[in-house]
Amino acid sequence: DAGVIQSPRHEVTEMGQEVTLRCKPISGHNSLFWYRQTMMRGLELLIYFNNNVPIDDSGMPEDRFSAKMPNASFSTLKIQPSEPRDSAVYFCASSLNSLAGGQYFGPGTRLTVL
Amino acid sequence: DAKTTQPTSMDCAEGRAANLPCNHSTISGNEYVYWYRQIHSQGPQYIIHGLKNNETNEMASLIITEDRKSSTLILPHATLRDTAVYYCIVRPHANFGNEKLTFGTGTRLTIIP
Repeated sequence: DAGVIQSPRHEVTEMGQEVTLRCKPISGHNSLFWYRQTMMRGLELLIYFNNNVPIDDSGMPEDRFSAKMPNASFSTLKIQPSEPRDSAVYFCASSLNSLAGGQYFGPGTRLTVL
Repeated sequence: DAKTTQPTSMDCAEGRAANLPCNHSTISGNEYVYWYRQIHSQGPQYIIHGLKNNETNEMASLIITEDRKSSTLILPHATLRDTAVYYCIVRPHANFGNEKLTFGTGTRLTIIP
């Protein structure tokens, strides 16, 4: 099992640019989560999907952030335009059937916005 | 979701059992106790979860008090690779639409050679 795959692993961009983070969940898992981690705010849930449908996006900071899950094996998190305060590590996680199971996290994407 | 309280940091000697406490005095009947850990520069890793019975898997044991107001994660023979931040999280039974995990600050466990 390859686990959750995220790309890129590192991204450096300039303020104002569009950033797209990608995630491939574990095959067969039907829930997918996007988290952000910073020193100041810790690990925060941004949005999660169940069966490709967004269920809770209350953690998405503002309209500059958007997430999609066009199929069961792929999701994107887009930031447009990016700002320096978006610098963080972004994690994707997936879980099976959600019923009291664990979430399995990817290695994360370290984003730096200059 | 119920709030959890964990010590900020702990040390444990290599080879000894590491016992990590967590208080969740406001836990309700349908809430599970989950434990995750995060090794430096890696994504969080699921360890174990339980409702009211003690649980054991290949990684750890989870002891939940009878009143469910506290729990202890036990790593039976700690190794240097167990050095990480350990998060105790309380979450309702994950029915559809209720899967959020709220991570606190956790306990930074350092295994001493």
